[in-house]
Amino acid sequence: QVQVVQSGAEVKRPGASVKISCRASGYTFTTYFIHWVRQAPGQGLEWMAMINPGGGSTAYAQNLQGRLTMTRDTSTDTVYMELSSLRSEDTAIYYCASGVRNWVDYWGQGTQVTVSS
Amino acid sequence: QSALTQPASVSGSPGQSITISCTGSSSDIGAYNYVSWYQQHPAKAPKLMIYDITNRPSGVSNRFSASKSGDTASLTISGLQPEDEADYYCLSYTTSSSLVFGGGTKLTVL
Repeated sequence: QVQVVQSGAEVKRPGASVKISCRASGYTFTTYFIHWVRQAPGQGLEWMAMINPGGGSTAYAQNLQGRLTMTRDTSTDTVYMELSSLRSEDTAIYYCASGVRNWVDYWGQGTQVTVSS
Repeated sequence: QSALTQPASVSGSPGQSITISCTGSSSDIGAYNYVSWYQQHPAKAPKLMIYDITNRPSGVSNRFSASKSGDTASLTISGLQPEDEADYYCLSYTTSSSLVFGGGTKLTVL
């Protein structure tokens, strides 16, 4: 069955970077997109970015362009999301999820990122 | 890209029907038939309920249906059940080749 497993919780200082991994299994890795979605405490969902693991093409939310980078490793079926210049507003649960270009289906367990001095 | 507009909350009694709207623009909802809906219970990951405007994934109750007219999409839940109480989000593909969520709607089953 399809599984999406993320790396563990992170605590970072303002200005630092965080890199979260997302490993997909149960299907051909290059077949489906991987999306990143975050949810700040008590807030709604925010779509961040997506990557096509097959060709490596990416798309980012405009407000995160310049701070967000996604990469993939097809040898380990893993996608990485790196967010730089962290600020307190980046404190959130970060989800990765597999799907197609315009919707997501299988979600990871979420990764808590806390930005605090 | 601004978030799509959803009502902050809706409520209904068991057995009733409710509709949640999701309003965007000609740059997102109005541009494509690529709206999906997600249900999120507290402290849980979201769950896909509807994709491509009207399609239900396998395993999702047929009490959930959806539609689109112009720049507004709608999710209807019929025969409300207590377990339907959750937050609901719409998601649309955009002309910038990105995606955008609605602000979310809290459904209370009275």
